[in-house]
Amino acid sequence: GNSVTQMEGPVTLSEEAFLTINCTYTATGYPSLFWYVQYPGEGLQLLLKATKADDKGSNKGFEATYRKETTSFHLEKGSVQVSDSAVYFCAQITQGGSEKLVFGKGTKLTVNP
Amino acid sequence: DVKVTQSSRYLVKRTGEKVFLECVQDMDHENMFWYRQDPGLGLRLIYFSYDVKMKEKGDIPEGYSVSREKKERFSLILESASTNQTSMYLCASTPGGGKNIQYFGAGTRLSVL
Repeated sequence: GNSVTQMEGPVTLSEEAFLTINCTYTATGYPSLFWYVQYPGEGLQLLLKATKADDKGSNKGFEATYRKETTSFHLEKGSVQVSDSAVYFCAQITQGGSEKLVFGKGTKLTVNP
Repeated sequence: DVKVTQSSRYLVKRTGEKVFLECVQDMDHENMFWYRQDPGLGLRLIYFSYDVKMKEKGDIPEGYSVSREKKERFSLILESASTNQTSMYLCASTPGGGKNIQYFGAGTRLSVL
């Protein structure tokens, strides 16, 4: 079945450091890919998405590129801030399917000043 | 802005009690979902609904039931709460029709004693 694997955390960085959170997927068909973020005490919210190969999603300085050849959708940010501290979830949904999201287990990021 | 409202942020119940978790969305969305979130396990789908009175089991439906009598409201029911149902519960909705970004509520943290 479809699945998402993301790097285990927690990840601790200093402010202005470079961030990468790895995400790979297995899927039948051609999924849409998402990164969701959960700030402390809140629900999840969409950070960015990509719907086809080579698409790049971007938002708030975060980027991720849909790589079909490596079945990956790694999240990157060039310079993290304390306010980026949150849990990040990679997810997929199969196009034309049931609209159910399949989530990775989440990666907790802590950014220290 | 889409708003998904969960009726309680925190609940404490006793083993064996019947528990109702309520979720309301205000954007006429077709699809609604209930997840539970546990450390190290990420989000797991309990039940979802495509339409009023329609429901489908997710990955972990045992011990839960749902009700969708009106389009905007999706209730999760624990018929007889057990300690292993202590968790964070998240509700989400999507518009349907291929617009598959999920909008989440803030979550209900349930403790079963």
